[in-house]
Amino acid sequence: GENVEQHPSTLSVQEGDSAVIKCTYSDSASNYFPWYKQELGKRPQLIIDIRSNVGEKKDQRIAVTLNKTAKHFSLHITETQPEDSAVYFCAAPNGNTGNQFYFGTGTSLTVIP
Amino acid sequence: NAGVTQTPKFQVLKTGQSMTLQCAQDMNHEYMSWYRQDPGMGLRLIHYSVGAGITDQGEVPNGYNVSRSTTEDFPLRLLSAAPSQTSVYFCASRRDFNTGELFFGEGSRLTVL
Repeated sequence: GENVEQHPSTLSVQEGDSAVIKCTYSDSASNYFPWYKQELGKRPQLIIDIRSNVGEKKDQRIAVTLNKTAKHFSLHITETQPEDSAVYFCAAPNGNTGNQFYFGTGTSLTVIP
Repeated sequence: NAGVTQTPKFQVLKTGQSMTLQCAQDMNHEYMSWYRQDPGMGLRLIHYSVGAGITDQGEVPNGYNVSRSTTEDFPLRLLSAAPSQTSVYFCASRRDFNTGELFFGEGSRLTVL
């Protein structure tokens, strides 16, 4: 099955700075890469995703980049705000059917006011 | 729309007891799944279903049973609870194979003594 690794496990940034979280995956057939945000005590929610036919996608202050050759993808958050503090998870599906999503172990982001 | 609804939100069991976590969605999603979330381990797939009558195992299926008799419901059964099953459980659904976003329920916190 797919193996997804995520780094770093914790990240602290000053408000206004940028944050970058990186993930690698093992299944070269995987073609969809989402990022989820989970606030304390809440459910994970999709914040951005990218399909394998594009290299970058932006949505206001967040962006995701994908390098299929190297099998890694990254989440970029610019101009961080305290409300960005949460745990972020990357995920990738098994390539053959896409029926199983494998999640990274999460990055706890703290934005210091 | 209620989205994905899980019950109960909290449960304490004794070792050896059985119980069922309920999950229902009102979005007419074909795909439903159960994850467990443990500290430092991200979200791990237990079982999933691609439609009524069809279920399959994920990464960590041992000790759990599922069935899918209707499109709306996907209960998770713990046959004989063990302390290692202490976790937060999330049910998630998505429309179909090509629609990647997973919609999560609020989670069920299970403690096995």
